Amino acid sequence: RKEVEQDPGPFNVPEGATVAFNCTYSNSASQSFFWYRQDCRKEPKLLMSVYSSGNEDGRFTAQLNRASQYISLLIRDSKLSDSATYLCVVKSTGGFKTIFGAGTRLFVKA
Amino acid sequence: DGGITQSPKYLFRKEGQNVTLSCEQNLNHDAMYWYRQDPGQGLRLIYYSQIVNDFQKGDIAEGYSVSREKKESFPLTVTSAQKNPTAFYLCASSSGPWGNNEQFFGPGTRLTVL
Repeated sequence: RKEVEQDPGPFNVPEGATVAFNCTYSNSASQSFFWYRQDCRKEPKLLMSVYSSGNEDGRFTAQLNRASQYISLLIRDSKLSDSATYLCVVKSTGGFKTIFGAGTRLFVKA
Repeated sequence: DGGITQSPKYLFRKEGQNVTLSCEQNLNHDAMYWYRQDPGQGLRLIYYSQIVNDFQKGDIAEGYSVSREKKESFPLTVTSAQKNPTAFYLCASSSGPWGNNEQFFGPGTRLTVL
């Protein structure tokens, strides 16, 4: 079993749709969680950190469920510019070991 | 502007040659990392360094070597011992490996072995 697993997609959605990505992790000692965005042939960039109480940034909402060991990302009112690959990232206790999921590809269509 | 630079952007290598990928950061970050990304896969850690003159192997260090003589620089050498070196190489840095510190990435180097 992979340490961090994501649905590879692709997700094809129309503009304005709401789309949700899930990610599961295997190490119960994991402490920090992030969502990164990666555009085609570019480097990953931090989209948002994921906090225990859940957090929101504009159209993006991240949730953490420690009991079930999964995190989620919800994108509301999808824009064409949201088309990218979304990477789930998990850091273990002690910090250095950061595990990247393989990513979920999103295509938003006009 | 603060950030991470990687060079070259594209690199072509003949089999049997060693090549060195450059990574420089002016963010005053202590920790630096090298990852490899293959199509459809997540990033895999090659080497990381938490402080100058110290570095540790990651999950796929075989066939690679690094040095950390300066805080700002963390070059990666892909040796001829690396069996399948064609990939996208990403360098990252963070203010420290602890806590919630995010990693910032450079633009990457695409290495192709001919």
